[in-house]
Amino acid sequence: AQKVTQAQTEISVVEKEDVTLDCVYETRDTTYYLFWYKQPPSGELVFLIRRNSFDEQNEISGRYSWNFQKSTSSFNFTITASQVVDSAVYFCALIPAAGAGSYQLTFGKGTKLSVIP
Amino acid sequence: DTGVSQDPRHKITKRGQNVTFRCDPISEHNRLYWYRQTLGQGPEFLTYFQNEAQLEKSRLLSDRFSAERPKGSFSTLEIQRTEQGDSAMYLCASSYDPDEQYFGPGTRLTVL
Repeated sequence: AQKVTQAQTEISVVEKEDVTLDCVYETRDTTYYLFWYKQPPSGELVFLIRRNSFDEQNEISGRYSWNFQKSTSSFNFTITASQVVDSAVYFCALIPAAGAGSYQLTFGKGTKLSVIP
Repeated sequence: DTGVSQDPRHKITKRGQNVTFRCDPISEHNRLYWYRQTLGQGPEFLTYFQNEAQLEKSRLLSDRFSAERPKGSFSTLEIQRTEQGDSAMYLCASSYDPDEQYFGPGTRLTVL
């Protein structure tokens, strides 16, 4: 069984501050994918990134960056120079790459980010 | 708009009534998923279709829940004899590969 833990329930930052959202996962699978999704107040889950368990390179996309460390089973997400539009609930998720449950995303409980102008 | 669509977006019903939700996936996607999200929680998997075949059902899906995907296109999720505990956001997702699921806007169900 998979488990995803997002220990930070809510975070508030002032606009332009950097913020890191933590994600720790547990899985027995050797290959898997990790994800981050954004859920704004409208409710729709917006895909942000997918990371293969074989690829531990950090990734940067604009103001977003992701730090994957397999040794600590963590996949953290940093927003640089936060903006009010970043306010949302952010979910980390995991899916096995093959075998049982390879169709089923396991989500953490989410971190609610509030960016204060 | 070629994304996943869900209808209705909101549904308020009285306990004991039946409700049905619809999901229209992205047209070229052969896989379709239903998830349920309660307040303050992440989405939880309910069921999965590949084409018209329902391949997996979570134990969360009680006998009062039934899902169909006739002809491998749109899907419906029906809840019979609704209970207050069924109040949640019901999310549909579709994919071509199982690891790239795209979500719809959800149907928010409130059972009074």
